[in-house]
Amino acid sequence: QQQVKQSPQSLIVQKGGISIINCAYENTAFDYFPWYQQFPGKGPALLIAIRPDVSEKKEGRFTISFNKSAKQFSLHIMDSQPGDSATYFCAASKRGSIVKLTFGKGTLLTVNP
Amino acid sequence: DAGVTQSPTHLIKTRGQQVTLRCSPKSGHDTVSWYQQALGQGPQFIFQYYEEEERQRGNFPDRFSGHQFPNYSSELNVNALLLGDSALYLCASSGTTGGDEQYFGPGTRLTVT
Repeated sequence: QQQVKQSPQSLIVQKGGISIINCAYENTAFDYFPWYQQFPGKGPALLIAIRPDVSEKKEGRFTISFNKSAKQFSLHIMDSQPGDSATYFCAASKRGSIVKLTFGKGTLLTVNP
Repeated sequence: DAGVTQSPTHLIKTRGQQVTLRCSPKSGHDTVSWYQQALGQGPQFIFQYYEEEERQRGNFPDRFSGHQFPNYSSELNVNALLLGDSALYLCASSGTTGGDEQYFGPGTRLTVT
């Protein structure tokens, strides 16, 4: 049972464009939703995270939008740059003393110059 | 401030052998989680260690075991290796006072032949 579904599997965007990656979750007990960025040969790097008490969180060019009723959240990358080309993973976890991240399958983003 | 470090970077083993992977958490972190990332997939939670005890385990067989040392570093051991164990093994650290954020190391690429 895939608890976090991520789409699209791959995405091609022109430089300066907006990249949008979507995730949906099933477990209503999830209340921590991070996004990770992973370059080839590297470990995932924490990009931005949100909790369900807010509907949007922005950090620089990266914004998470969260819809609790629809059990969906998305990552928006504004003014996408070639250096943003990487694989992006959404994840979810129940908040608490044991944080066990459940990841989506990832989105390969390519930003063309 | 050193981030999460893992060793070795790459490892090639034969079916049936045993392997030990090592992780040092980020400075100030006391909790270590291990994840397995198959090619083209998101990381999957193996288990988490805190205060030298395994706190939670994912859906992995007993062939996967671990240990945490008093300095918070950790080892992942896999016995009776199978071809399907070939993956990137990631260590993530977090702190009990730092909330839910998990920071990943660069991973160990294990190839089983």
